[in-house]
Amino acid sequence: AQRVTQPEKLLSVFKGAPVELKCNYSYSGSPELFWYVQYSRQRLQLLLRHISRESIKGFTADLNKGETSFHLKKPFAQEEDSAMYYCALRPVIGQGGKLIFGQGTELSVKP
Amino acid sequence: EAGVTQFPSHSVIEKGQTVTLRCDPISGHDNLYWYRRVMGKEIKFLLHFVKESKQDESGMPNNRFLAERTGGTYSTLKVQPAELEDSGVYFCASTHTPGTVNTEAFFGQGTRLTVV
Repeated sequence: AQRVTQPEKLLSVFKGAPVELKCNYSYSGSPELFWYVQYSRQRLQLLLRHISRESIKGFTADLNKGETSFHLKKPFAQEEDSAMYYCALRPVIGQGGKLIFGQGTELSVKP
Repeated sequence: EAGVTQFPSHSVIEKGQTVTLRCDPISGHDNLYWYRRVMGKEIKFLLHFVKESKQDESGMPNNRFLAERTGGTYSTLKVQPAELEDSGVYFCASTHTPGTVNTEAFFGQGTRLTVV
């Protein structure tokens, strides 16, 4: 079964601390993995995708096929990073198709 | 470029009533998706249109939900009759044609539906 798991509903850190939001997935093929973010009163937006291998707003995520994980990391959290983060899977790389979301992790960065 | 637009932003209706949600995708996006987030749970896929055709409606909860996309432009999602468990936030998203370089999904702001 296709499934995305984010084990933490809430993650609270202090400004400047490292942060890691965990994401594990189950899928038999080679999916496309994403992190979406929803800031307060804003729409859901793409943060990064594993294919791009880029760093956005200081965040990175590496796809580990052996552990079926796609954890989101940032070395120094900022208050403006506070938001809801969703890990998502698209079953086939490069094709349109539905996204399968995790439950979401609320990140709270305290001053 | 205008983003994905959803109407209304909020709707409060009584159990048994009918509600119609609307989504205007980004111009030129053939693919349109509906998702729903029920409180405390994950965002779940409802269905996928390619132009005016339903490509995948495996996530539709039951036959009280009817989605249309006449002419392949905007889409409507009708709930009739609404039940309490239909409450949640309904998201719409659109993407370019599959196989092109950028298949990022762009989301609307969502419609918060409350059934009382």
